[in-house]
Formats: sequence, C-alpha cells, structure tokens
Amino acid sequence: NAGVTQTPKFQVLKTGQSMTLQCAQDMNHEYMSWYRQDPGMGLRLIHYSVGAGITDQGEVPNGYNVSRSTTEDFPLRLLSAAPSQTSVYFCASSRLAESSYNEQFFGPGTRLTVL
Amino acid sequence: ELKVEQNPLFLSMQEGKNYTIYCNYSTTSDRLYWYRQDPGKSLESLFVLLSNGAVKQEGRLMASLDTKARLSTLHITAAVHDLSATYFCAVDNSSGNTPLVFGKGTRLSVIA
Repeated sequence: NAGVTQTPKFQVLKTGQSMTLQCAQDMNHEYMSWYRQDPGMGLRLIHYSVGAGITDQGEVPNGYNVSRSTTEDFPLRLLSAAPSQTSVYFCASSRLAESSYNEQFFGPGTRLTVL
Repeated sequence: ELKVEQNPLFLSMQEGKNYTIYCNYSTTSDRLYWYRQDPGKSLESLFVLLSNGAVKQEGRLMASLDTKARLSTLHITAAVHDLSATYFCAVDNSSGNTPLVFGKGTRLSVIA
C-alpha cells in the first residue's frame, strides 16, 4: 500500500494563477480531508469529505474548492492564488464507521509558495 | 465549538530529564489522538486514546486521557535527542466521523 500520496511536493505560483493539488489514497478510506499548516497556527481544516459525492467546509475554506468523484481521490483546487495561501498543505484519510475512530493518516505534504 | 489547547508550545529539555506536555479540550469527547511531526515531514500517528483512563506507552513516551477533566498528557521519560520534534494532540467530538481539531503543537527540543 502506498498510503496517502500527494502531488506535487513543491509548487511556486504567481498571484492569480490557479492550480490543483492532488491527493490519493489506496486504503479504501471513506473520509478524506485537507489541512493547511502555517507557522504557529497548527493545522487548520480546509475541506473534508465523508464519501464520494459528499464534501463539506472546514475552518478556512475561502479560496479553495474540492470535489470527490471517487473514493480514492480528493483534489484541492486553488481558484486564484494569493500570497496568503502560501503554506504547507496536507491531505489525510481515515475509515468511516459508526464504531470506528478517526485516526487519520497523512500524506507527505505539498509546499506551496505564491509570489 | 471544540477548542484544543496545548502547553507548553515550546519546550527545551536536557537529555535524561522527564517532562509532560498537556492537552486540554473544551467539549465532551472520549477520543484523543497524538501525532509527531519531524521538521519538514508529515504527521505520524503516535497514540489513539479512546476512553476515560486510557493509557498508552511506546518507548519513552506515555499518553493518558482523563475525559472528566478534558485533559490528555504526553509524558516523556529520560528524554533523548531523537525525541526532538513537534507533538500535536487532536480531538473529535465522538458523535461520528467529524473532523479532528488540532492543538497548535508543542515543539520539543532535547539538548545534550
């Protein structure tokens, strides 16, 4: 199992450009989420999904879109990049079941710089 | 709204010493998670605590959960340099698969 994979590892954008951060998992996890990590801020939830076709907003959703067409993939789209979106982005996944718990497995991260 | 607070946020400790990191949270929950992050790396799951009184140990790290006090502790015994990392606690509200809420992390530096 590859676990949770993210591409690209590094990206530099100019203000106003758009791009998609890719996330995939091969553990058949229903639950997937995107976080951003900034110095001194911990991890902040951007969007999450509890299954294909279902997404919801987290704490800091503005400027980002997501979709979940398959169980495996959960891409994060930046619509018009801004310097405030310079951050490290982590994708995570976990099982989803009434009796389960929410131990999330994290991808390696994408380091994004917006100039 | 669920809030999670860790303290201290920064910790510099000598090798061989003991110390405790604290994680307080604001609403009822009996599911708490500890993660470790090395510089420039991703988060790695350390402990999953699922009930009041739960205690887990791995090497020099021991985590416990007191749901009545809404408090988890991560105790470090006889610290070694390899434990230098940032430690995060995270909580969900136990009503299903709701998003985890993370503390801001404790950056631990173990010095000789």
